[in-house]
Amino acid sequence: ELKVEQNPLFLSMQEGKNYTIYCNYSTTSDRLYWYRQDPGKSLESLFVLLSNGAVKQEGRLMASLDTKARLSTLHITAAVHDLSATYFCAVDDLGFGNEKLTFGTGTRLTIIP
Amino acid sequence: DAEITQSPRHKITETGRQVTLACHQTWNHNNMFWYRQDLGHGLRLIHYSYGVQDTNKGEVSDGYSVSRSNTEDLPLTLESAASSQTSVYFCASSELQGLQETQYFGPGTRLLVL
Repeated sequence: ELKVEQNPLFLSMQEGKNYTIYCNYSTTSDRLYWYRQDPGKSLESLFVLLSNGAVKQEGRLMASLDTKARLSTLHITAAVHDLSATYFCAVDDLGFGNEKLTFGTGTRLTIIP
Repeated sequence: DAEITQSPRHKITETGRQVTLACHQTWNHNNMFWYRQDLGHGLRLIHYSYGVQDTNKGEVSDGYSVSRSNTEDLPLTLESAASSQTSVYFCASSELQGLQETQYFGPGTRLLVL
């Protein structure tokens, strides 16, 4: 059974600081997704990482994937209040063409002015 | 614009009642999924479908059923609602585009079982 673990579960950080959210998973997979969820809202896709060494960046967020270490990171640079949300990673464990995602428990990020 | 909708958005029911949550997508996606979201558990997969007449059990399928009679809809039925099924339910759909298969989520249904 695929296990996906995120840490930290809760993160409170000051504006302007940098931090990293970690996503570890228990089986081989080369497709990993990051989603954002605002309070009371649905999930919004942020990044799709499709191969070892993949790196994607959007604004102050950068995601990377190391399939050998079974680790993905979401790095936040110079945090701003608008980035406050819960971030989920999800791993596809059925391979190409038949997606079935297992989600981490999420990291609730709060940016303090 | 294509979208995915869920109804109702909020539902209060009593223990033992049958409840059906609707999910409708206009992207013509083959793949559809139902998740429940609870504090401390993230999203857990209930049932999923890869096409018409195809349904599969997910991680937490006990007490739930789905049917797929057309591409657009995947209704989720709670056969006999239990308090443990109080949760927020999300429907999602996806389609393979090249190597990428991103899931698009509906707005969610908040269900309270009393």
